[in-house]
Amino acid sequence: GQQLNQSPQSMFIQEGEDVSMNCTSSSIFNTWLWYKQDPGEGPVLLIALYKAGELTSNGRLTAQFGITRKDSFLNISASIPSDVGIYFCAGQFNAGNMLTFGGGTRLMVKP
Amino acid sequence: GAVVSQHPSWVICKSGTSVKIECRSLDFQATTMFWYRQFPKQSLMLMATSNEGSKATYEQGVEKDKFLINHASLTLSTLTVTSAHPEDSSFYICSAAVGGDTDTQYFGPGTRLTVL
Repeated sequence: GQQLNQSPQSMFIQEGEDVSMNCTSSSIFNTWLWYKQDPGEGPVLLIALYKAGELTSNGRLTAQFGITRKDSFLNISASIPSDVGIYFCAGQFNAGNMLTFGGGTRLMVKP
Repeated sequence: GAVVSQHPSWVICKSGTSVKIECRSLDFQATTMFWYRQFPKQSLMLMATSNEGSKATYEQGVEKDKFLINHASLTLSTLTVTSAHPEDSSFYICSAAVGGDTDTQYFGPGTRLTVL
């Protein structure tokens, strides 16, 4: 199936550093979502973006819906060990439609 | 947020047997549920869209006779892997849409299927 281009594929950072990851698509999406998945568990919704240009925060997480509706980024500030996991972006064209997922960014944080 | 459960969380079965996985929305009704499959270190791949009261819509390459989906109520969808083989071993995850204008999808915890 179709996938979004998500980068980087993996990151190994020091605790306290900021993290940035992004997703791009050749298609327009009307909703962008960011999920985190821990090993052996389902994805957990972090941030949902519904409007082009929207910038939304959730604690140390900030995500933006690109103005072209073809991209989105997620920033994590002051990373901590529990931020370790795989982060997925997902795009949705319309409410009720399927999600198209990025390939994931594996984040590793060194204490 | 909305809670979605899956049962069982893991299952080991012999080749040739059938396995049923349940997906339930616990505190909301979901007209639409989605079934995904995830191989190790890979992203989620949509298998099918499950609609309450109607036939599921399968993605290209997914055998509908092998992966039977039944969306019997607004809170329950089941995926049955028929005549399972080792290559069917994977992590199966469902999601349910809350509905409305935003229609955010919430995921279940996943079911790990191992076929011997």
